[in-house]
Amino acid sequence: GENVEQHPSTLSVQEGDSAVIKCTYSDSASNYFPWYKQELGKGPQLIIDIRSNVGEKKDQRIAVTLNKTAKHFSLHITETQPEDSAVYFCAASWNTGNQFYFGTGTSLTVIP
Amino acid sequence: EADIYQTPRYLVIGTGKKITLECSQTMGHDKMYWYQQDPGMELHLIHYSYGVNSTEKGDLSSESTVSRIRTEHFPLTLESARPSHTSQYLCASSDPHGTETNEKLFFGSGTQLSVL
Repeated sequence: GENVEQHPSTLSVQEGDSAVIKCTYSDSASNYFPWYKQELGKGPQLIIDIRSNVGEKKDQRIAVTLNKTAKHFSLHITETQPEDSAVYFCAASWNTGNQFYFGTGTSLTVIP
Repeated sequence: EADIYQTPRYLVIGTGKKITLECSQTMGHDKMYWYQQDPGMELHLIHYSYGVNSTEKGDLSSESTVSRIRTEHFPLTLESARPSHTSQYLCASSDPHGTETNEKLFFGSGTQLSVL
């Protein structure tokens, strides 16, 4: 099965700086890569996703890049704000309706 | 905002009790999931369902059971709770049909279970 690794497990940045979280996957058949944000006491919420036919996708301050050859994808948050503090999960899936494989999570702290 | 609801939000019970965690979604999604989340954050799939009358075990072995009698409802039951069952339980749903955007997973807010 698929194996998704996520780094770092914790990340602290100053407000206004950028944050980068990286994930690698093992199954070359994976073709859908969502990112979830989990705030304290809440369930994970989808913030951005990318499919294997695209190398980069951006939505305001967040962007995701995908390198299919190297089997890794990254989340980039620019101009971080205290409300970006949360746990972020990457995931991989290889077919519509198939199982999602999650990374182990990154706890991001944005220091005001 | 996703329309998937979990009750209760918090539950503290004694060892040996039978409990049922409720999960309902109003999006008409066929596929539903239960994840167990460690204090260390990692998500483990314990059960999933492709639709009514379908239930499958996930990657993580669990002593819980699930049922899927209605599309919108996917309850999880522990016949005899133990302290090792203390965890956060997250329910999710997705629609595997239609356009590619339907792959998205929607999560409920979770149930924090503590077994004393």
